Amino acid sequence: KAGVTQTPRYLIKTRGQQVTLSCSPISGHRSVSWYQQTPGQGLQFLFEYFSETQRNKGNFPGRFSGRQFSNSRSEMNVSTLELGDSALYLCASCTGTVNTEAFFGQGTRLTVV
Amino acid sequence: GDSVTQMEGPVTLSEEAFLTINCTYTATGYPSLFWYVQYPGEGLQLLLKATKADDKGSNKGFEATYRKETTSFHLEKGSVQVSDSAVYFCALITDLSGGSNYKLTFGKGTLLTVNP
Repeated sequence: KAGVTQTPRYLIKTRGQQVTLSCSPISGHRSVSWYQQTPGQGLQFLFEYFSETQRNKGNFPGRFSGRQFSNSRSEMNVSTLELGDSALYLCASCTGTVNTEAFFGQGTRLTVV
Repeated sequence: GDSVTQMEGPVTLSEEAFLTINCTYTATGYPSLFWYVQYPGEGLQLLLKATKADDKGSNKGFEATYRKETTSFHLEKGSVQVSDSAVYFCALITDLSGGSNYKLTFGKGTLLTVNP
């Protein structure tokens, strides 16, 4: 079956702009979570959605937001981009119950200039 | 809160050498433990997992045993190959409310380079 699909793969934006990233989970998976990966901070949890509801949120400013649609696809948005937002953004999907494995997409590489 | 500590490396080995990457954790509940691997330019792939004490996860020659008494989940492989070169992440998830919070906590990652 198809894996987790993230689009776009690469993105270059200017400071102050906003950006929207997309994630299509594996068919049947209702949970989608987002992570930010940087060399300095490693992998940090952004938020998790299940059946269109945000269940958990990490310690990120309000400029980072997300949503999930009825087909489980998810988007995350970052407004007023800062240089420090440059990172690899990873999306993971799973069935939504504990102990099940999360499947990751290839990520979106965001560069803010 | 939950945290994972793993040796950050980098680790450089020759082909067929023995590999150990240490991982210890602190958790508020009873965690499930995972090792993920990230190849250059790729996302994370689950390598192995263990969901209760004394469980041994294994895959592709890699093994890790869930040690509750030492809060550890060290990754081992008896004979590494060049193709094992990647970044390895130890991670945990703690369910405190019946599966309603799926949030992975990761270690910083360990870069492994295997030379021929």
